[in-house]
Formats: sequence, structure tokens, C-alpha cells
Amino acid sequence: EPEVTQTPSHQVTQMGQEVILRCVPISNHLYFYWYRQILGQKVEFLVSFYNNEISEKSEIFDDQFSVERPDGSNFTLKIRSTKLEDSAMYFCASRRGGPEDEQYFGPGTRLTVT
Amino acid sequence: DQQVKQNSPSLSVQEGRISILNCDYTNSMFDYFLWYKKYPAEGPTFLISISSIKDKNEDGRFTVFLNKSAKHLSLHIVPSQPGDSAVYFCAASARDFGNEKLTFGTGTRLTIIP
Repeated sequence: EPEVTQTPSHQVTQMGQEVILRCVPISNHLYFYWYRQILGQKVEFLVSFYNNEISEKSEIFDDQFSVERPDGSNFTLKIRSTKLEDSAMYFCASRRGGPEDEQYFGPGTRLTVT
Repeated sequence: DQQVKQNSPSLSVQEGRISILNCDYTNSMFDYFLWYKKYPAEGPTFLISISSIKDKNEDGRFTVFLNKSAKHLSLHIVPSQPGDSAVYFCAASARDFGNEKLTFGTGTRLTIIP
């Protein structure tokens, strides 16, 4: 069964460094998403992406964040200058796009900012 | 922002019995509701969904009930099995309003006792 994959599974970085989290959505899906879950808190929406542009973003998704679909398969989330509070699990999701289609999530990348 | 609430952080149920997980929402624009299951170190896995035009949706052992007037939904699992032990998240979106993002509850940890 096709699945969303994410790399790396765990990323440790120093405060102020740039990180890129990578996702490979399911191949025939058209809508892509990033969510995050800070330890002990709920899963929060960050951004949705369709047709090579952002369709919606949350208040969390400020100028430090960016997304890109550099080729036909990858979907990336970049954090330009990480802060301690960016430490969280980051989940990528994709959706085919039909009215009854659901978002399918990847296993997540645990980002630890020290 | 508590638009989706799961008031029971944990629930223990005997194997073979019915598990009932509850979820309340406040945003009247939500028209699509989903349940996701999550194991540690994995991403949320889609279980079942329901549109606001229905009040019940069934898929095998899983049934979701929606009470729009009470802004309440519930997930019934019957019979409960040990493999059902996980954290269950309720999520909602406002699809008819073109809003794809999922708003999650805080989750309920379900433990099935053999």
C-alpha cells in the first residue's frame, strides 16, 4: 500500500541553524500539508500546498518557514533560523483531492533544537 | 483555541467490550469529521470519517456517530481488541468552505485490557 515517507526520522540542530525536512507524498496525490506536534500538545496545522503554491497557512507559519516541491516527488519544509520552541514532531500529509479523500500522514520527523 | 475537544485523556476497556470515544466541537463551520489513530513514533493513521450530511458511518468494527445539534461526535469500536490500544484523535475541517486544514483534538489514550 502506498505511503507517505519522511526523512530524516530525527534531526538535531543548534539554535539559529537552518533545517530542511523532507517528505515524499503518495504519488497520485495533489494536496500536501505540514503539521507539527509539540510534546504533550495537539497536532497543529502549519501549511497546505496545492498546484505549486501555498493555499493556506497558520499563524505559526511565519517568515522563518517555507515549503517547496522541488521536483515531482519531494515536498520540503525549511526552517531558516531554528528556535528552541521549534522542537516538535513534524508530520507531512498528502491527499489525492477527491471530495471523499482523506489526508494520509507520514511517520514524522522529530526535530530537536538545542 | 479549543475548537475540537476530547475531554477524556484516557480510557481503559476490557477486550471484547465496546470502546466509546467522545469529541466535541465549537466551530459551526466544521462539516467534515475524522478519527485518526496514532501509535508512538508513528504518524496519525486515518480510521473513519463522516460528513455533516450524515449522522452515522460504519466501517467494520468502527462506527462514528455525529450529533450536529449537540456539536458532538463519538467513535464506537466493537468488539475492542488489544491492537486497538493507541491514542485516538478527533479532527475536523470546513471542506465546504474551501478549508482543508484539519483541526485536531488533544487525543484520548485507549488501553484495551486482555
